[in-house]
Amino acid sequence: DIQMTQSPSSLSASVGDRVTITCRASQGISNYLVWYQQKPGKVPKRLIYAASTFQSGVPSRFSGSGSGTDFTLTISSLQPEDVATYYCQKYNIAPFTFGQGTRLEIK
Amino acid sequence: QVQLVESGGGVVQPGRSLRLSCAASGFTFSRYAMHWVRQAPGKGLEWVAVISYDGRTTYYADSVKGRFTISRDNSKNTVYLQMNSLKSDDTAVYYCPRDGSHFDSSGYYPSDPFDIWGQGTMVTVSS
Repeated sequence: DIQMTQSPSSLSASVGDRVTITCRASQGISNYLVWYQQKPGKVPKRLIYAASTFQSGVPSRFSGSGSGTDFTLTISSLQPEDVATYYCQKYNIAPFTFGQGTRLEIK
Repeated sequence: QVQLVESGGGVVQPGRSLRLSCAASGFTFSRYAMHWVRQAPGKGLEWVAVISYDGRTTYYADSVKGRFTISRDNSKNTVYLQMNSLKSDDTAVYYCPRDGSHFDSSGYYPSDPFDIWGQGTMVTVSS
């Protein structure tokens, strides 16, 4: 099975900073990758699918890129409401494996 | 509005069974594949199972294969997760996200997955 590895596991940044989270697949998955945001005590929310396609209503400061095995979620200017855990997930075929998550905090 | 409501969670002893339900509304349920995803307390997300739009094809995570069964009743707009031989490791919040991808007996053709999630139902396996 394909493994999904996120880095870093946790991240602390200042408001206004550019933040980058990486997700690596152990084998190529084309662009079949989703990014989620999960705020504390809340349900996961899909931010991006097909590696770079925005979910409606997601702020434009979020962007996704990548294909094959290496993917990136970027927040261009970190806001206080972005405090959350971010997950990537592959969906090319079952099993639909998630990354282990990246916890993002404000410095 | 589009909504998924999970139910059926609770406290159950190890080795016992439990059936979760996920009721859909606000969309044409029979056109969508459905998943179960779980999250143990303080841990990450784990995919559990998926069922095709017509209920004929299912896939499972290795961790639940042979113990859990996903099914659906399109006349009731509901997907189920029958959980048998429960273990303490099955303790988690269980979610049922929908999947707009085309999925039938010929295969899974990804397009618009995991866009809507319910609030989840908590399952605690403890003696």
